Amino acid sequence: DAGITQSPRHKVTETGTPVTLRCHQTENHRYMYWYRQDPGHGLRLIHYSYGVKDTDKGEVSDGYSVSRSKTEDFLLTLESATSSQTSVYFCAISPDNGGSPLHFGNGTRLTVT
Amino acid sequence: AQSVTQLGSHVSVSEGALVLLRCNYSSSVPPYLFWYVQYPNQGLQLLLKYTSAATLVKGINGFEAEFKKSETSFHLTKPSAHMSDAAEYFCAVSDANTGNQFYFGTGTSLTVIP
Repeated sequence: DAGITQSPRHKVTETGTPVTLRCHQTENHRYMYWYRQDPGHGLRLIHYSYGVKDTDKGEVSDGYSVSRSKTEDFLLTLESATSSQTSVYFCAISPDNGGSPLHFGNGTRLTVT
Repeated sequence: AQSVTQLGSHVSVSEGALVLLRCNYSSSVPPYLFWYVQYPNQGLQLLLKYTSAATLVKGINGFEAEFKKSETSFHLTKPSAHMSDAAEYFCAVSDANTGNQFYFGTGTSLTVIP
């Protein structure tokens, strides 16, 4: 999977608790993305990063924050998890924003009870 | 705004039959177009991509797609389905107007009947 590791692979948490998902890459790619996948919605962009400490919002960013302190790591944090955030989360990377494809990790399945 | 429409959330074909998965996009500038495949409990894998070179693009596993600007389509085909082709398929578009952010269709689940 193009040197992308997501952790954890599965997590169950309670409503109102903070959750952090980690994406680690070994490709030294500049761009990193967090998507969520839900039935009937395909993949929707949450946040993305175009460099260390450079991030921007996607179409479904409410309730999520991100940080990128190193090229290889991109963290997604749910400050106070809600049941609507139950989903499968995918990290993706790309070397540029000029038509290169995204390469995806294997995903994190998050259940908020 | 960019968007991608995949017609048919579920498609069933017999083994050995033609596979046709439909994708239409909207983009105000020349787009980059992609097809991805997802197997259960895995991430998305790139099947093929169109980036303004040849309009007929060949990908992995015998798949190909044709970019038709006049129809704003990028349909995915394979002449003969294999059982191993059963998976979820996603079409995606990006272009310079969106900072090359990717927009995905809602996916088509392909079932191959033996």
